[in-house]
Amino acid sequence: EAGVVQSPRYKIIEKKQPVAFWCNPISGHNTLYWYLQNLGQGPELLIRYENEEAVDDSQLPKDRFSAERLKGVDSTLKIQPAELGDSAVYLCASSSGGTVDEQFFGPGTRLTVL
Amino acid sequence: KNQVEQSPQSLIILEGKNCTLQCNYTVSPFSNLRWYKQDTGRGPVSLTIMTFSENTKSNGRYTATLDADTKQSSLHITASQLSDSASYICVVGVGGSYIPTFGRGTSLIVHP
Repeated sequence: EAGVVQSPRYKIIEKKQPVAFWCNPISGHNTLYWYLQNLGQGPELLIRYENEEAVDDSQLPKDRFSAERLKGVDSTLKIQPAELGDSAVYLCASSSGGTVDEQFFGPGTRLTVL
Repeated sequence: KNQVEQSPQSLIILEGKNCTLQCNYTVSPFSNLRWYKQDTGRGPVSLTIMTFSENTKSNGRYTATLDADTKQSSLHITASQLSDSASYICVVGVGGSYIPTFGRGTSLIVHP
């Protein structure tokens, strides 16, 4: 079974440029998460989707960040315009729900903003 | 405020030695506690998951314990290997919420 797929794995852009990250969750997983992880820190939730609906997005900086999961499967996270402080690893995770709701993480996209 | 504190922040041990990582949490209501291993440049991978009624869970050389009364958990690694070098993250699930609380992780380096 394929795990959570993310692309690109690495992205280097100049500040003020736009950037987009893509995530394909594990087949059958209705819940999808986007996290931001700074070096030496634990992941911080940006947004959570239940199917195509964004149910937790209070931590998403909506002035520059946007996300979509149009068909309830894969998802895109966009930053426009990027700032120096956005340099981090962006992790996508998915889960099938249930009592424990174990999350499975993708490899992440490492963003460097110059 | 829900918090997860991990110690030590970093740890260096020799190959073959045992080590124990600590996790203290103030999460309410408690749902479950998970330990993840995150290799450099990779996403976290689940090692163990424990619910309120479980006080120990093993996965090969990894053994996690949970004391729900003191709100503490530990991850014991036996006979460490070079491949154990990674960050170990403690994650506590919050009852009634799909948003868990993450610790900052312990960075473990195993030297030959």
